[in-house]
Amino acid sequence: AQSVTQLGSHVSVSEGALVLLRCNYSSSVPPYLFWYVQYPNQGLQLLLKYTTGATLVKGINGFEAEFKKSETSFHLTKPSAHMSDAAEYFCAVRGGYKLSFGAGTTVTVRA
Amino acid sequence: NAGVTQTPKFRVLKTGQSMTLLCAQDMNHEYMYWYRQDPGMGLRLIHYSVGEGTTAKGEVPDGYNVSRLKKQNFLLGLESAAPSQTSVYFCASSFPTMGQETQYFGPGTRLLVL
Repeated sequence: AQSVTQLGSHVSVSEGALVLLRCNYSSSVPPYLFWYVQYPNQGLQLLLKYTTGATLVKGINGFEAEFKKSETSFHLTKPSAHMSDAAEYFCAVRGGYKLSFGAGTTVTVRA
Repeated sequence: NAGVTQTPKFRVLKTGQSMTLLCAQDMNHEYMYWYRQDPGMGLRLIHYSVGEGTTAKGEVPDGYNVSRLKKQNFLLGLESAAPSQTSVYFCASSFPTMGQETQYFGPGTRLLVL
């Protein structure tokens, strides 16, 4: 069965600093991997996804993630944090018809 | 184009009461899903549907039933609510594209069971 583990339930960064959110996956087949973002009191929206091809995936709002098969990782980064990046971020892996989500990482941005 | 909508936005129930959550999508998506979100546990799949008239169990189906009589609607029912069902419920939909599909989420329904 496919699963993901997000390392760190809370991340605090200064405005302008690097944002790094860690996700490791477990999958018996080549994985389809996703990052979703949830702003307060809203539903989830897709940031980016990896299916096949280029291992560096660019998403919305300046985020990107790199698929590393050897490390079974799909970490999310943004070079310079903005106050509007404060949200909860979820990594997910596709298994059959279903997505399996990590527990989430809450990002706070300090002025 | 409203996307995915959920009704109601918030509800308080007493233990043992029943209710139905409605999800509607206007994107002509084949697949629809119901998740619950609890602190520190991410989203867990309750039930899902891969087409009109079909439903299947997810990770945490106990205490819930679903129906997909129309392609655009997916109903989640609680027959006898329990405090353990206090949660935020999200509906999502997607168009099948060989596992690569993006799921589109509704705004959520906050349910409190007393």
